[in-house]
Amino acid sequence: GAVVSQHPSRVICKSGTSVKIECRSLDFQATTMFWYRQFPKQSLMLMATSNEGSKATYEQGVEKDKFLINHASLTLSTLTVTSAHPEDSSFYICSARTSGGPYEQYFGPGTRLTVT
Amino acid sequence: GQNIDQPTEMTATEGAIVQINCTYQTSGFNGLFWYQQHAGEAPTFLSYNVLDGLEEKGRFSSFLSRSKGYSYLLLKELQMKDSASYLCATLSGTYKYIFGTGTRLKVLA
Repeated sequence: GAVVSQHPSRVICKSGTSVKIECRSLDFQATTMFWYRQFPKQSLMLMATSNEGSKATYEQGVEKDKFLINHASLTLSTLTVTSAHPEDSSFYICSARTSGGPYEQYFGPGTRLTVT
Repeated sequence: GQNIDQPTEMTATEGAIVQINCTYQTSGFNGLFWYQQHAGEAPTFLSYNVLDGLEEKGRFSSFLSRSKGYSYLLLKELQMKDSASYLCATLSGTYKYIFGTGTRLKVLA
């Protein structure tokens, strides 16, 4: 149980275009989903937290107009990287969690974004 | 502030025991997690400690001391497949997860 899928697994796009990444909880209802970014040999950096039906809460330094997050249902959240630039190239990972404890989050397999 | 420290790299021999330490400063502390991450993959959950003491789960054990802001992950009977990065993460409040930079463990034959 507690499987999270992420699509696509890899994407290459041109600078200036937008990319949408989907995160789905397959066998549970995810009241909260998290989006992380990880650069090579660095740790996971939380970008934003989204609760179903609410606006996402962005971490300091993360541009909400550039990284659009939608959590329209209890099983789906999307991250859209708008007007992507080469510096946005990274490994994007989502995670999902049910309400209440014990606060374990289940991670998706990640999306490798390369902006050329 | 919020801060997590763990060693960058460790090396151990197959069959041995290794302890990976983690110190943290987290306001609103609500538990500490250990994750394993293989290169190019997402993290997988290993343990969660919210109370002081040792939690044992097979070959892996995790310890927490809240008064010292300290945790360790103990791996016994090391196997080659245990070569990975091990991430220490704390939960602040209900939603804010803070990850350490990870410890890259190399297991040698």
